[in-house]
Amino acid sequence: QLQLQESGPGLVKPSETLSLTCTVSGGSTSRIGYCWGWIRQPPGKGLEWIGCMNDSGNTYYKSSLKSRVMISVDTAKNQFSLKLSSVTAADTAIYYCAGQKVEVDYWGQGTLVTVSS
Amino acid sequence: QSALTQPASVSGSPGQSVTISCTRTSSDIANYKYISWYQQHPGKAPKLIFYDVSDRPSGVSSRFSGSRSGNTAALTISGLRAEDEADYYCFSYTGSNSWVFGGGTRLTVL
Repeated sequence: QLQLQESGPGLVKPSETLSLTCTVSGGSTSRIGYCWGWIRQPPGKGLEWIGCMNDSGNTYYKSSLKSRVMISVDTAKNQFSLKLSSVTAADTAIYYCAGQKVEVDYWGQGTLVTVSS
Repeated sequence: QSALTQPASVSGSPGQSVTISCTRTSSDIANYKYISWYQQHPGKAPKLIFYDVSDRPSGVSSRFSGSRSGNTAALTISGLRAEDEADYYCFSYTGSNSWVFGGGTRLTVL
C-alpha cells in the first residue's frame, strides 16, 4: 500500500520560504495518471488545495497562491516537494502531501508548519 | 468564499440518516460530476469515502452513499453511528487546471 510522509521545518519566519518534502513508499511517483501535491489546513479551519505536479511534469496551482508556490517531483528519490515563498502568519497550517487523480487517493499524516518570528 | 458551499454543521441521532449537501456556487466548477467526499476525524488526515459522485472505495461502509442533482451533490450517511462523528468535505475539479474543497461540514451524532 502506497504511503506518504511529510518532512521539513515546523517553524518558518515571516517573509521566508517554507520548504517541505514528501517521501513516497510502497509505490512510485511515476505512477501513471497521478498528480502529486499539497493540501493545507489552518488550525481549526477547512482544507485548501494548494497544487500538484502530474506524471507529465505539468504543474497546477491554486490561482491565489500561484505567484508564491512551486511543486516539484524527484522520481529518482521517489519524493516531491513544496516551496512557498514570502510566508506570513496566514500560511500557518497543517500541510498534507497527497496523491490524486481527480480524487485524492493518498494522504500523508500531515505536518504542522507555524510562521512566526 | 469557496466555490463549493456546504452547511457548517448537521446532526442526527444513532440509527438515523443524515445528508450533507455540496452546492456549486461558481460557474468555474466545470465537470461537476467529478465530486469526491472526505471524512476527517479530529487530529487525523482526511480519508476518501466517495468519488465520481457515487463510487465508494474498497473498505468504505455501504452506509455512505452519494448523489448529484443539478448543481448540488450530496453525501448521505444511513444508520448513523458514533464513529461517524467527524468533519466532511466535498472536492471538485474546477475545469481551470485547479481543484477546490468545500468549506466542510461538522457532523454531530447526538
